[in-house]
Amino acid sequence: EAGVAQSPRYKIIEKRQSVAFWCNPISGHATLYWYQQILGQGPKLLIQFQNNGVVDDSQLPKDRFSAERLKGVDSTLKIQPAKLEDSAVYLCASSLAATVFNSPLHFGNGTRLTVT
Amino acid sequence: DAKTTQPTSMDCAEGRAANLPCNHSTISGNEYVYWYRQIHSQGPQYIIHGLKNNETNEMASLIITEDRKSSTLILPHATLRDTAVYYCIVRASGAGSYQLTFGKGTKLSVIP
Repeated sequence: EAGVAQSPRYKIIEKRQSVAFWCNPISGHATLYWYQQILGQGPKLLIQFQNNGVVDDSQLPKDRFSAERLKGVDSTLKIQPAKLEDSAVYLCASSLAATVFNSPLHFGNGTRLTVT
Repeated sequence: DAKTTQPTSMDCAEGRAANLPCNHSTISGNEYVYWYRQIHSQGPQYIIHGLKNNETNEMASLIITEDRKSSTLILPHATLRDTAVYYCIVRASGAGSYQLTFGKGTKLSVIP
């Protein structure tokens, strides 16, 4: 079974620039998550999709972050404009279904963003 | 979801059992205990989960106390590749979005 694919692996941008991250979940997984992990901390949920609908985006800084999952498969997370504090690893995860409560999340290896 | 408390770091000799404790004294009846680990530069990896019975799989064993207020993850024969941050997470099973809320975890160092 192929895992969660993310690209790019690394990205360096200057503050006020824009950046986009891409995620391809495990085939058949209806639920997709984006997490932000700042160095030394555990991952923090940004947004959760069920198929192509948003389930929870309460922790997404909507003034600069946006995410979409148009066809219920791949997803893109965008930051515009980036700030220094956005430097982090952005992790994508998927699970079979949000309603299957004992369905584990499977994570990609993330995109490491450095904002200078 | 209930809050969890884990030691910041632990060491374990290679080949010995690693016992990682987790306190979740406010856990409620419909909440599961999940364990994930994160090896350096990788995403978190699912290990095991349980409700009230002890669980075992090819990676680890999970021992949950009878009152469910604490649990222990056991890696029976730790190897250098088990060096990672281990997260204990309590996750509700009722209606809702079934998210995982990560704390800071326990950094396990397996020593040769």
